[in-house]
Amino acid sequence: GAGVSQSPRYKVAKRGQDVALRCDPISGHVSLFWYQQALGQGPEFLTYFQNEAQLDKSGLPSDRFFAERPEGSVSTLKIQRTQQEDSAVYLCASSTGLAGGPGQFFGPGTRLTVL
Amino acid sequence: AQKVTQAQTEISVVEKEDVTLDCVYETRDTTYYLFWYKQPPSGELVFLIRRNSFDEQNEISGRYSWNFQKSTSSFNFTITASQVVDSAVYFCALSENSEGGGNKLTFGTGTQLKVEL
Repeated sequence: GAGVSQSPRYKVAKRGQDVALRCDPISGHVSLFWYQQALGQGPEFLTYFQNEAQLDKSGLPSDRFFAERPEGSVSTLKIQRTQQEDSAVYLCASSTGLAGGPGQFFGPGTRLTVL
Repeated sequence: AQKVTQAQTEISVVEKEDVTLDCVYETRDTTYYLFWYKQPPSGELVFLIRRNSFDEQNEISGRYSWNFQKSTSSFNFTITASQVVDSAVYFCALSENSEGGGNKLTFGTGTQLKVEL
């Protein structure tokens, strides 16, 4: 497709379970970002990739959060031993990475609910 | 640290009214970008506009217009003749250089706009 896609769209996990969230960026986009959006809040930055390199992970809330983009396209955000406070919408965005480019394009998000 | 403030949590208007959404930002960068995104009930963030910090010209796109004033660090968004389909949460965002050179976004808390018949 032409846009950023994410799967699954909805995920329900029991506390303590591990989850994996997938992002397919726009083809050819070098930069990929993950954001977390809690209910009623704006998205908050988690991590950034340039191709396969994770260049900024300053927003990851704990070492239970791990992201990868091994071939520079698809990315996976993994959350280990999920907690209730992890419940949020996880948004993926991609961009060309060029300074004069059109900015970040967002996927539909994955809504994670931890029971 | 960079910060974006959207003081209006929720605005309700009647269709055809004009409405302005406020955005105030803080940054130490001299080069930055400002954005507005729309988030309808479906949840996807829809890009509306990007503005370079060096370009203070106001912009109009159909019923939408944006007023960027560097002197007051504001980037306000006006919808003229609002319609029910404009009902959504609107986010203002500021780009900042990521540690690795990317441009991560700092978002405000959003303004919920409700347009009623």
